[in-house]
Amino acid sequence: GQQVMQIPQYQHVQEGEDFTTYCNSSTTLSNIQWYKQRPGGHPVFLIQLVKSGEVKKQKRLTFQFGEAKKNSSLHITATQTTDVGTYFCAGGATNKLIFGTGTLLAVQP
Amino acid sequence: DAGVIQSPRHEVTEMGQEVTLRCKPISGHDYLFWYRQTMMRGLELLIYFNNNVPIDDSGMPEDRFSAKMPNASFSTLKIQPSEPRDSAVYFCASSLGVSTEAFFGQGTRLTVV
Repeated sequence: GQQVMQIPQYQHVQEGEDFTTYCNSSTTLSNIQWYKQRPGGHPVFLIQLVKSGEVKKQKRLTFQFGEAKKNSSLHITATQTTDVGTYFCAGGATNKLIFGTGTLLAVQP
Repeated sequence: DAGVIQSPRHEVTEMGQEVTLRCKPISGHDYLFWYRQTMMRGLELLIYFNNNVPIDDSGMPEDRFSAKMPNASFSTLKIQPSEPRDSAVYFCASSLGVSTEAFFGQGTRLTVV
């Protein structure tokens, strides 16, 4: 079946360092969404990308959708302790949204 | 709108007991999803409804799990009988479209002992 994998599973950084998580789908996606889940919380929508090669920015966060619409990345510049949590990508596929495996980000002050 | 509302927030039950989780979606959202989250398996889609009709239940683990949506403002996920391996956080989410922004509830943390 359709799968969406994310790497790395876990990343520990020092505050101020950059962070990137990658998302790969086994099939072409109609769109890609990114969510953030704080420890003990629920996933919260961050952004949606629809177009091939699309790049969007939200302050220190940069989101990219691959040309083939099968992969995506989230890059955080100069991480802060408030960035701690699990980042999920979610790929829009035929009649459903498939969540990736998630990347847990730990930020040491 | 108060967002997606789930109850209870925490549930501890003994193996073999029936468990019912409840969800109130955001008004006007046509889609409702039930997810299960565990460390081992991540976030799994169990079932989703469109306009109260179950569309895809391929993620429901087995016959012990059932879900209903009797009206646009209420859904339940029932486990009968419950087993320790059902322990997880169960999220309900709603959205306007099948692959548009999903709004998650706070989740129900289920522990089966």
